[in-house]
Amino acid sequence: GQQLNQSPQSMFIQEGEDVSMNCTSSSIFNTWLWYKQDPGEGPVLLIALYKAGELTSNGRLTAQFGITRKDSFLNISASIPSDVGIYFCAGVNAGNNRKLIWGLGTSLAVNP
Amino acid sequence: ETGVTQSPTHLIKTRGQQVTLRCSSQSGHNTVSWYQQALGQGPQFIFQYYREEENGRGNFPPRFSGLQFPNYSSELNVNALELDDSALYLCASSHAKGPNTEAFFGQGTRLTVV
Repeated sequence: GQQLNQSPQSMFIQEGEDVSMNCTSSSIFNTWLWYKQDPGEGPVLLIALYKAGELTSNGRLTAQFGITRKDSFLNISASIPSDVGIYFCAGVNAGNNRKLIWGLGTSLAVNP
Repeated sequence: ETGVTQSPTHLIKTRGQQVTLRCSSQSGHNTVSWYQQALGQGPQFIFQYYREEENGRGNFPPRFSGLQFPNYSSELNVNALELDDSALYLCASSHAKGPNTEAFFGQGTRLTVV
């Protein structure tokens, strides 16, 4: 199935460091969503973006909807051990039954 | 908590058997989508139900079928199970007509086919 290009695939950082990950697509999306998934659990919505250029924060998390509508990034500032998990981007095209198109995920490990 | 609940949480089935997975959507949401997530992969869209009718389908064979009930809860049925059907099955609910297209997920059902 269709998937987004998400990078990096994995990251191993020290507690307190900032993290940045991004997703790109060959298609235009109307909505970008960022999720975090812990092992054996369902994805949990972190941030939703609805307009090109939109910059939205949720605590230490900041995400932006790219101007071209084909990309998005997620930043995590001052990482803590509980940030460990897999982060997924997902795009939604209103003309595509609103199904989510997913990236392959970024696995984040934080060294205390 | 998202208000989306799935049952069972874990299941072991034998190849060739049939399985039914269940999902209760979040209050106020009329759309349910099902995803299959293999280990180390992102979720793959199976199908979506809106007001009790299928409203889009991914690249899955007909032995994957579903239902949505008047209360918007949903079932995913898989017939003739194959070993490759082993995965985490995720249900997501959303409000199709609302301005927001956020989808909220349940905790998933881990299906193992042996």
